[in-house]
Amino acid sequence: GQNIDQPTEMTATEGAIVQINCTYQTSGFNGLFWYQQHAGEAPTFLSYNVLDGLEEKGRFSSFLSRSKGYSYLLLKELQMKDSASYLCASLDSNYQLIWGAGTKLIIKP
Amino acid sequence: IAGITQAPTSQILAAGRRMTLRCTQDMRHNAMYWYRQDLGLGLRLIHYSNTAGTTGKGEVPDGYSVSRANTDDFPLTLASAVPSQTSVYFCASSGGQNEKLFFGSGTQLSVL
Repeated sequence: GQNIDQPTEMTATEGAIVQINCTYQTSGFNGLFWYQQHAGEAPTFLSYNVLDGLEEKGRFSSFLSRSKGYSYLLLKELQMKDSASYLCASLDSNYQLIWGAGTKLIIKP
Repeated sequence: IAGITQAPTSQILAAGRRMTLRCTQDMRHNAMYWYRQDLGLGLRLIHYSNTAGTTGKGEVPDGYSVSRANTDDFPLTLASAVPSQTSVYFCASSGGQNEKLFFGSGTQLSVL
């Protein structure tokens, strides 16, 4: 079956670094997405990886290892506004997105 | 209109009633999607449309129907609402199969 696993909840301190992991098992693979979703709002796009390696975008970076079925989202210099849920989603061979349940990130001062 | 718009924002509905959730985008995206989001679960695809005139079933299509008469609009209809359809519904669109999704602001639906 198809499955995405990510931690339910994480806590981190303002100014620190946090890594949110995601493992996936899908029928085929056409890329891995990360979305951010603030409480009561719609998800918004953060990153897309299809090749192995690290992609950096400002304070946020995303890593992919296709051989391990593994990705992580790295958030640096955490700010209170980064408190949100982070959704991992894998694009399968039919170009359908398989979504994880999301990781709720709590930032403490 | 800028982006993707959903209506209504929220709705309380009696079980057995018919309801249509509206979704309109102005980005000329070919692909559109309807998801439901429930606490503790990932987004689940209800129906999708890869282009105007075509629709497909997602992971949880039962009790829902869609139409795609033109590029911009993709309404979702609950023919006879049941309490298990209480959820937050998101409409989304994308420019291609591996393109990022743009989401509407969501509809909070409560079926009593």
